[in-house]
Amino acid sequence: KQEVTQIPAALSVPEGENLVLNCSFTDSAIYNLQWFRQDPGKGLTSLLLIQSSQREQTSGRLNASLDKSSGRSTLYIAASQPGDSATYLCAASNDYKLSFGAGTTVTVRA
Amino acid sequence: NAGVTQTPKFQVLKTGQSMTLQCAQDMNHEYMSWYRQDPGMGLRLIHYSVGAGITDQGEVPNGYNVSRSTTEDFPLRLLSAAPSQTSVYFCASSYSAGSNYGYTFGSGTRLTVV
Repeated sequence: KQEVTQIPAALSVPEGENLVLNCSFTDSAIYNLQWFRQDPGKGLTSLLLIQSSQREQTSGRLNASLDKSSGRSTLYIAASQPGDSATYLCAASNDYKLSFGAGTTVTVRA
Repeated sequence: NAGVTQTPKFQVLKTGQSMTLQCAQDMNHEYMSWYRQDPGMGLRLIHYSVGAGITDQGEVPNGYNVSRSTTEDFPLRLLSAAPSQTSVYFCASSYSAGSNYGYTFGSGTRLTVV
């Protein structure tokens, strides 16, 4: 069974600091790994999708890396802003399901 | 706008009542699924479908029923609501299961069973 862990569970940083969010998974036979953002009381917004053959993906200030052999993915958010405050979820795709981590709740202080 | 549409957004049920949560997508995705999100438990798969007429159970299927008569729709039925089914329910779809395609999620249905 795929187990996904996210560290840290919560993070508070001043505006402008770079964010590093970690995700680890136990089964390396994944199709892809997806990072989502969830605002309080809202749905999941897809941020980045890294396919199993890729090492990283970038979108604006966001960069995600994937190391299948070690079972790790890292989401980097450059120059954080208060609007980046949210919960970030990583999800590993195996077979017919996504396995989610518990999330990292980020607070960016103005 | 293309995407996954869930209705209703909020619902309060009494114990023992039944209801159907609706999910529709207009992206011609073959794969659709239902998750529930609970504090401290994360998101867990309830049921999924790899195409019209084909459904299967996920991690927590008890108390729920699904069917898939069209590619676009994947309703989730609560047979006899229980307080333990109080949760936020998300529908998700993907072009194909077991592939390099990502998932698109709906905005969720917040269900309270009293």
